[in-house]
Amino acid sequence: DTAVSQTPKYLVTQMGNDKSIKCEQNLGHDTMYWYKQDSKKFLKIMFSYNNKELIINETVPNRFSPKSPDKAHLNLHINSLELGDSAVYFCASSHQQLAGLAKNIQYFGAGTRLSVL
Amino acid sequence: DAKTTQPNSMESNEEEPVHLPCNHSTISGTDYIHWYRQLPSQGPEYVIHGLTSNVNNRMASLAIAEDRKSSTLILHRATLRDAAVYYCILRDNNAGNMLTFGGGTRLMVKP
Repeated sequence: DTAVSQTPKYLVTQMGNDKSIKCEQNLGHDTMYWYKQDSKKFLKIMFSYNNKELIINETVPNRFSPKSPDKAHLNLHINSLELGDSAVYFCASSHQQLAGLAKNIQYFGAGTRLSVL
Repeated sequence: DAKTTQPNSMESNEEEPVHLPCNHSTISGTDYIHWYRQLPSQGPEYVIHGLTSNVNNRMASLAIAEDRKSSTLILHRATLRDAAVYYCILRDNNAGNMLTFGGGTRLMVKP
């Protein structure tokens, strides 16, 4: 069973469209994240979310918004897509309420490759 | 998060040990040293982490310098499947959840 799963794996769309990427984790974790990996392969955190707070990387445009229907899901909505949004987006999760060293281990999905034409 | 410095790339022969260095001269007392790796076309994968003492797990070993300003990830016998980008990341366990990835080291394993 896949621990962190993202859909779709590939997404090709036109500029100006609105799209969503779904993420689900079956690990019972309490915190989920979205990262963006651009063409130069740098991984940057976009959001961190648990049921208490949303932490937003200040560099993320407000066209991007995370939506969490429940603890196991954190979907990424993107409005008015731009060419520069083309990248691979990774979802991740961790259990922040754990004590000890296991607390900050993050588990990543396989990524969604977004291409904006 | 404090900054880390890693070589851009390294090469290794299959079946030989690999030592991946990481410098973190500005590490604070509460920073843990985390290593993740990213295989081609996959998401990052946790490898190991530690605070002061050396750590071993089924994937690798982590050797931490006494002054904690550097660390080394050790793969005891590199396989072709270990070819990946390895990221050394400092995390304050009490200061939030997000990981700050640098450029990492691209490890190439030759048969």
